[in-house]
Amino acid sequence: DVVMTQTPPSLSVAIGQSVSISCKSSQSLVASDKNTYLNWLLQSPGRSPKRLIYQVSKLDSGVPDRFSGSGSEKDFTLKISRVEAEDLGVYYCLQGTHLPRTFGGGTKLELK
Amino acid sequence: EVQVLESGGGLVQPGNSLKLSCATSGFTFSTAWMYWYRQFPEKRLEWVARIKAKSNNYATDYTESVKGRFTISRDDSKSSIYLQMNNLKEEDTAIYYCEGVGIRGWFAYWGQGTLVTVSS
Repeated sequence: DVVMTQTPPSLSVAIGQSVSISCKSSQSLVASDKNTYLNWLLQSPGRSPKRLIYQVSKLDSGVPDRFSGSGSEKDFTLKISRVEAEDLGVYYCLQGTHLPRTFGGGTKLELK
Repeated sequence: EVQVLESGGGLVQPGNSLKLSCATSGFTFSTAWMYWYRQFPEKRLEWVARIKAKSNNYATDYTESVKGRFTISRDDSKSSIYLQMNNLKEEDTAIYYCEGVGIRGWFAYWGQGTLVTVSS
């Protein structure tokens, strides 16, 4: 199985600050169709996960452009510019290139 | 408005069965690939099963730990999927989520989850 290593496990931030979360995979996530199926999800407190970004850098509808995704092959980053209160929760990366689909361990974003 | 609503969870004894349902509306279900995931009490997320669309012959895949025990299915006429869970084990205790993903991944919608507790 592809192991997704997500760091840091937690982040304490002030509103307006920018943060980055790293996700590294044990295998390349480039699929046979040349796409890279790396997603970022946010689970807000008491809620179900919600996808924010797919295929490394494509924002889902309604996701603010304060969020951005980058990376390739085995190394990926989620950046949040100017954190707002609604951004707090646990962020997960999820790879969909290989079966079984596998998640990172999560990064908890908290208020400083 | 998109809705994804899981149901069927509950308390069940080890070795028994349970069938989860996921009813959807507000997106093109027939071409969507549908997934089940679960979140364990310690918050770890795990993919459970996938069923592709009719154009992909409704192909299914499972995570290793549920193969031979769980069966995913879909009813396009009802925009719904199901997860038949047999021979349940205590380690299957989790919140089970359903997700619908559109062609080329253009959309992805998760439900609110249903809690399955396996305990004697």
